[in-house]
Amino acid sequence: DAKTTQPTSMDCAEGRAANLPCNHSTISGNEYVYWYRQIHSQGPQYIIHGLKNNETNEMASLIITEDRKSSTLILPHATLRDTAVYYCIVRVALKTSYDKVIFGPGTSLSVIP
Amino acid sequence: GAVVSQHPSRVICKSGTSVKIECRSLDFQATTMFWYRQFPKQSLMLMATSNEGSKATYEQGVEKDKFLINHASLTLSTLTVTSAHPEDSSFYICSARTLASRRQGAGSNQPQHFGDGTRLSIL
Repeated sequence: DAKTTQPTSMDCAEGRAANLPCNHSTISGNEYVYWYRQIHSQGPQYIIHGLKNNETNEMASLIITEDRKSSTLILPHATLRDTAVYYCIVRVALKTSYDKVIFGPGTSLSVIP
Repeated sequence: GAVVSQHPSRVICKSGTSVKIECRSLDFQATTMFWYRQFPKQSLMLMATSNEGSKATYEQGVEKDKFLINHASLTLSTLTVTSAHPEDSSFYICSARTLASRRQGAGSNQPQHFGDGTRLSIL
């Protein structure tokens, strides 16, 4: 799997958009970009994933650059409950289910009142 | 959405005992389950991957005789920490996923869904 790099930590004012960047410059053509987050003392929560098109769901938007070497997770109106560690992961799409997710250190997002 | 239930959420036991942790997919069939451990202020570390009906594949440095994994059905996997010692105290997290559906076509990929973790404390 391709490696990703993320800032160690970020702050965001409550009610503002939180934009979390991720670099994955060695991503392959068949690798998806996944975002998860982990709130303190809980299991990770799936947020969103995409291949090359931008994606949006009820939680967030995912913007992937045209060359696919980086992406940005956008939380449109951050709340205090969005304070968590956010993980960006790339993973190859396989027809079998045997493929593993390796977590990096992630970005610790603090939403400030 | 897909729900993964993990039990127990917290366990405290004496050194030398064995502890079993259960991971269940409640509303989908999980062809693959993953077990992670996490130490304070660190990221998740993958321990092993199990496919239903076959032996688990362990990551380098993880003792398979110490951490027994069973994935006997499409909705249940168990992790047993045998002869636990204080250094085994950690946050253990399971996740589950299923194969991509035909409707999604080749190249699509289901995300993993995680349980809420088990905090294991060995005295």
